Order: sequence, then structure tokens, then C-alpha cells
Amino acid sequence: AQSVAQPEDQVNVAEGNPLTVKCTYSVSGNPYLFWYVQYPNRGLQFLLKYITGDNLVKGSYGFEAEFNKSQTSFHLKKPSALVSDSALYFCAVRGGNSGGYQKVTFGTGTKLQVIP
Amino acid sequence: DTEVTQTPKHLVMGMTNKKSLKCEQHMGHRAMYWYKQKAKKPPELMFVYSYEKLSINESVPSRFSPECPNSSLLNLHLHALQPEDSALYLCASSQDRLAGGTDTQYFGPGTRLTVL
Repeated sequence: AQSVAQPEDQVNVAEGNPLTVKCTYSVSGNPYLFWYVQYPNRGLQFLLKYITGDNLVKGSYGFEAEFNKSQTSFHLKKPSALVSDSALYFCAVRGGNSGGYQKVTFGTGTKLQVIP
Repeated sequence: DTEVTQTPKHLVMGMTNKKSLKCEQHMGHRAMYWYKQKAKKPPELMFVYSYEKLSINESVPSRFSPECPNSSLLNLHLHALQPEDSALYLCASSQDRLAGGTDTQYFGPGTRLTVL
């Protein structure tokens, strides 16, 4: 069974400082990893994904994530946080095994609060 | 264009009512999904349609009835709901569920459902 862990319910960071939102995963086969952001009372917006290749993935709004196979992690990062980045962030994983539909498993979410 | 639209934005219904949620996408995606999301929780998969055929039903109660009239439209028919069914209902679409799991799911803004 596949799983995703987001160990922090909330992350607080000062505006202008770098931010990291942590994610670790467990999956059979090659992992396909995703980050989504959700603003209050809105749907999930896709930020970035890792499928294969370069371990550093760049996404929307200046976000990037680093895939680390040995640590089974896919942490989301941004060099300089904005107040408008305050939102709920979900990490998600899908196993790359063939042989049928694979559900996307979402983490429990991390609330990012950027303090002015 | 990565837009998925959902109507209505808000819905209040009694336990004896019948109502429908609608979802539309014009990205040529052939997989469409319904998710249920409670406050501050990750989305929970309900149904998956692939090429207009129901592919996955995550043991959802029969008071929820999905329908996919064509490749662009997805409906969720609601009947005799319970107060605990109150939640944000999200629709998503992706290119092709058989694409080895690399699909990105694009989400609509959701319908906020309240059952009285």
C-alpha cells in the first residue's frame, strides 16, 4: 500500500525567508509525486510533479521540490516566502506499477502561514 | 487552459431533496473524478470515470449516483443525503488514466454542500 506523510500540521515562516514543507512517501515501484496548494474554500491547484529525471523539480509561483530517493522524501521549497503563499499544501503520491489504475494518495496537508 | 468548472458553488439541501452537481472540462481529458473533502482534511476519492465508463467506485453509498453523459461532463446526483455528507465536493480531470500514473489531476473549485 502506498502512503504519504506530512509531519507538520502547520509551518510558520516570516515573509522573505525561505520555506520548506516536508513530505515523505512509501510506494511500490517508481513513485510519481505531486504537490498541490489549496486556498480557503477553493479547489486544489497543481504546483509541480516528479516523474523521472532531474531530482530538482521547478513549478508554479516560484516553488520547487527535491526528490530524494534514499530518504523517500519530496520536500517543497521556495527561496523567499510571500504572504500570499499562506494556504494549505498537499503532497500526493501515485505508484508507478503497471497493471491497472493507481489511486493518488494525498497527505494530510500542511498549513503554511507566512507572517508579514 | 487547465480549467475545470463546477456548478453550483454552494448548495443547501434537505435530507429528502434530490439535487445534482455538475462538472465540465474542455481539455480533452478522458478521466474524470469525484472527491469529497471535509474541512482541513485531504480529498477522499469517490468515483473515477475513464472514457465515460465508471472505472472505480470507492464503496460510496448509493445516495450518491455519478453520471458521465459525455467526455466533457460529469454529474453527481444526490438523493436522501445525511447531514454528515456536508462537505466540499471536488471534481477533477486528467488526460488518461492508462498513462502509467504520470497524469496530473486538475481540480475544479468545488461545490460546498450543506445538508440540513
